[in-house]
Amino acid sequence: GQQVMQIPQYQHVQEGEDFTTYCNSSTTLSNIQWYKQRPGGHPVFLIQLVKSGEVKKQKRLTFQFGEAKKNSSLHITATQTTDVGTYFCAGFRFAGNQFYFGTGTSLTVIP
Amino acid sequence: NAGVTQTPKFQVLKTGQSMTLQCAQDMNHEYMSWYRQDPGMGLRLIHYSVGAGITDQGEVPNGYNVSRSTTEDFPLRLLSAAPSQTSVYFCASRLFQTGTGTYEQYFGPGTRLTVT
Repeated sequence: GQQVMQIPQYQHVQEGEDFTTYCNSSTTLSNIQWYKQRPGGHPVFLIQLVKSGEVKKQKRLTFQFGEAKKNSSLHITATQTTDVGTYFCAGFRFAGNQFYFGTGTSLTVIP
Repeated sequence: NAGVTQTPKFQVLKTGQSMTLQCAQDMNHEYMSWYRQDPGMGLRLIHYSVGAGITDQGEVPNGYNVSRSTTEDFPLRLLSAAPSQTSVYFCASRLFQTGTGTYEQYFGPGTRLTVT
């Protein structure tokens, strides 16, 4: 079954508003990656978090990895129309040697 | 450097037909994998390979076969297509993990498969 849950499934925001998506795993992760998929496109890597409590920033995007390495979040400040797409987290466990993708959050930005 | 390529882009099959989805990468990545993407389900791993001659099952392997005879190619075979296999299929590749981290996955453009 689904081992990494992601909420919300959909989010509509006015341009300029902030956006956050959350991932929760039922077990401890070795690391977590985030991907963005534009409509009709393929997933594109954004970032990887490895350490407990890690926070990384990419311009208006802030990524966090929980202290217990079981949850993560992506926050976008002041959304723009170019942020439209579906954001996926992907948790990795060395024991299973595979990534477990979240269900994704589809972001719509209203101009 | 083409990255990860997939063919075909679109395919319509009838129930019971078989076909092979092709995937190739030119980045000398050891690890390759196949995912299927269905609405509301995210990406689910079908099969993966950590190198030529080595394959293993992922989360949803039933109805699919893979082989890895070269580093570059990782074809996915549908043995007897069923409507439940209607989906978008993505191939991905990356360097194999080492130490405490893994590497980013590079995805192909996808194959949109419809089984009627």
